[in-house]
Amino acid sequence: DVKVTQSSRYLVKRTGEKVFLECVQDMDHENMFWYRQDPGLGLRLIYFSYDVKMKEKGDIPEGYSVSREKKERFSLILESASTNQTSMYLCASSLVDFKNTEAFFGQGTRLTVV
Amino acid sequence: DQQVKQNSPSLSVQEGRISILNCDYTNSMFDYFLWYKKYPAEGPTFLISISSIKDKNEDGRFTVFLNKSAKHLSLHIVPSQPGDSAVYFCAASARETSGSRLTFGEGTQLTVNP
Repeated sequence: DVKVTQSSRYLVKRTGEKVFLECVQDMDHENMFWYRQDPGLGLRLIYFSYDVKMKEKGDIPEGYSVSREKKERFSLILESASTNQTSMYLCASSLVDFKNTEAFFGQGTRLTVV
Repeated sequence: DQQVKQNSPSLSVQEGRISILNCDYTNSMFDYFLWYKKYPAEGPTFLISISSIKDKNEDGRFTVFLNKSAKHLSLHIVPSQPGDSAVYFCAASARETSGSRLTFGEGTQLTVNP
């Protein structure tokens, strides 16, 4: 079974803090993704990575950065947290497989910025 | 620009009846479509997928239909069970151009009443 593990289920941070969200996968997947889920907006892609040290912007990268130093780990960084970054954050991983693109998700991190 | 749209935010059905969830897309480069199910405080889990070379894929109680000319897909669940109550997300990928990157719809909350 693929396992994608996010380091925290719930986080409360103050405005202006630097926030790190960590994600680890155990299936040697090349691709890793960070999404945020907001009511009525679905899942929106923040950043993704298709290899170590490689990253690409998704649809809503502003205010975020990422780091992928090892294949199994993908970190999302909020440089200076703001209240509009209060959301559910979801990490996912997948193979580079052009027959299917099923992504496996972690359990999510509910971040509240106060 | 919402390339994948789920126009019904919610759907309520009786146990044992059929649930039909709908999804429309605009990007003609999408060639692979997936449905995910999400319970509260958990990450989405993969349910079923379909390639653009097919018009139907079935897995137990779940069937996905694809109408490429209308750029429309639907998920049928029959018979519906109370445990199916969850948010369902439609997703699409354009494997030739975007690889494994998934674009999600807004989600539909399905409630199955006993």
